[in-house]
Amino acid sequence: AQSVTQPDIHITVSEGASLELRCNYSYGATPYLFWYVQSPGQGLQLLLKYFSGDTLVQGIKGFEAEFKRSQSSFNLRKPSVHWSDAAEYFCAVGAKDSSYKLIFGSGTRLLVRP
Amino acid sequence: DGGITQSPKYLFRKEGQNVTLSCEQNLNHDAMYWYRQDPGQGLRLIYYSQIVNDFQKGDIAEGYSVSREKKESFPLTVTSAQKNPTAFYLCASSISTRLAGNQQFFGPGTRLTVL
Repeated sequence: AQSVTQPDIHITVSEGASLELRCNYSYGATPYLFWYVQSPGQGLQLLLKYFSGDTLVQGIKGFEAEFKRSQSSFNLRKPSVHWSDAAEYFCAVGAKDSSYKLIFGSGTRLLVRP
Repeated sequence: DGGITQSPKYLFRKEGQNVTLSCEQNLNHDAMYWYRQDPGQGLRLIYYSQIVNDFQKGDIAEGYSVSREKKESFPLTVTSAQKNPTAFYLCASSISTRLAGNQQFFGPGTRLTVL
């Protein structure tokens, strides 16, 4: 069965420090992978997506993610975190059943220290 | 200004009452979705619709019902049969469920509290 694991429930980093949020997936075929961000009480906004091709994907707000098939991972990175990046981050895989649905991880809450 | 709107933002319901959450999109998308979000559990799919007058159950459909009479609208009814309805509900849409990797766009959500 398809699944997505985000092993870190909370992560705290200092403003200006680098960030890496982990995502591991289980999917039999070529996955379609997404990272979304959610501010408190709001909907989800797409940060970036991977369909095929270059395994390093650039997104909005200075985020990037790298698809590593051998490790079944799609980790999200940012070289320098800003206080406004504090939010919850969700990794998702597009899984084909009778149609293409998204399966979400349980999320990682990012806290930023001033 | 294209997007997805959900109303109301906050909703309170007494036990035993049905309540309907609104979701409207003007993106001309064929597919629409309803998710439930609980702390620490991410998003779980309730129902989805691939096209007007069609919808399928997701992973947690029990106690919920939907309709899709118009392309732009996909209301969700939380019935009294839903044992634990207090949650944050998110509506989403995408161009089609038949496109590999189709991106979903999300509304701002409705927080439902059962008193």
